[in-house]
Amino acid sequence: SAVISQKPSRDICQRGTSLTIQCQVDSQVTMMFWYRQQPGQSLTLIATANQGSEATYESGFVIDKFPISRPNLTFSTLTVSNMSPEDSSIYLCSVGSGRTNEQFFGPGTRLTVL
Amino acid sequence: SQQGEEDPQALSIQEGENATMNCSYKTSINNLQWYRQNSGRGLVHLILIRSNEREKHSGRLRVTLDTSKKSSSLLITASRAADTASYFCATTNNYGQNFVFGPGTRLSVLP
Repeated sequence: SAVISQKPSRDICQRGTSLTIQCQVDSQVTMMFWYRQQPGQSLTLIATANQGSEATYESGFVIDKFPISRPNLTFSTLTVSNMSPEDSSIYLCSVGSGRTNEQFFGPGTRLTVL
Repeated sequence: SQQGEEDPQALSIQEGENATMNCSYKTSINNLQWYRQNSGRGLVHLILIRSNEREKHSGRLRVTLDTSKKSSSLLITASRAADTASYFCATTNNYGQNFVFGPGTRLSVLP
C-alpha cells in the first residue's frame, strides 16, 4: 500500500482566487489521479497525471481551470483556478497499485469558496 | 461510459444487524472494488473482486459479483457503530482503466 498526504487539508478561499493542492506519495508511482467530490456526491475523476507528460483530463475538465504539475514520481499538484462557489468540494489525489488496480487515496482537501 | 450505481442511497440499522448494499454497472469490467469513506475524508479500500470471481470474504465483509446481471453486493455482518460511513463501489474496464465510482450508500449504524 501507499501512504499519501495532501496539503492543505482544508481552506476557505475568495471567489476569483486560485488554490494549489499538493499531493505527496511515500513511493514512486507512474500515475497519480485527481478527483473531485462535490458535497453529498460521489467522486469524479478530474485528470490522470503521468510523470514527464501532460495530464490527461476527463470530459468536462480543462487544463486552464485545473492545471496539474507532476515534477517527479512522488509528487503532484492540482490548481483550482479562478474559483467560484461551485468549486467548493473535496479534492482527493490517489495512486493505483499497478498489480491489483486498487486505488490508494489521500485524506482529501476540503475547499470552500465564498 | 460505465457507471456504478449503488442502492439504497441511505441505510439506517441497529448495531448487530447486517447491512446489505448493492451496486450496478453498465459495461464489461475488469474488477469491482468497494471503498469506505468516513465523514468526507479519504477513501479506504475494502475489497476487490475480479470479473471471474463470484464471491469474496474479508472479515465481516462479504462481496458478491454477478456479471450476468452487472451487479454486486456488499454485506457487512454484525454491524458496529464504527461502520457508520459512506460506501462506494468502483469499477475498472477490461484494460484496468477508467476508474468510475457509483453515487454511494450512506450507512448509519445506531448503537
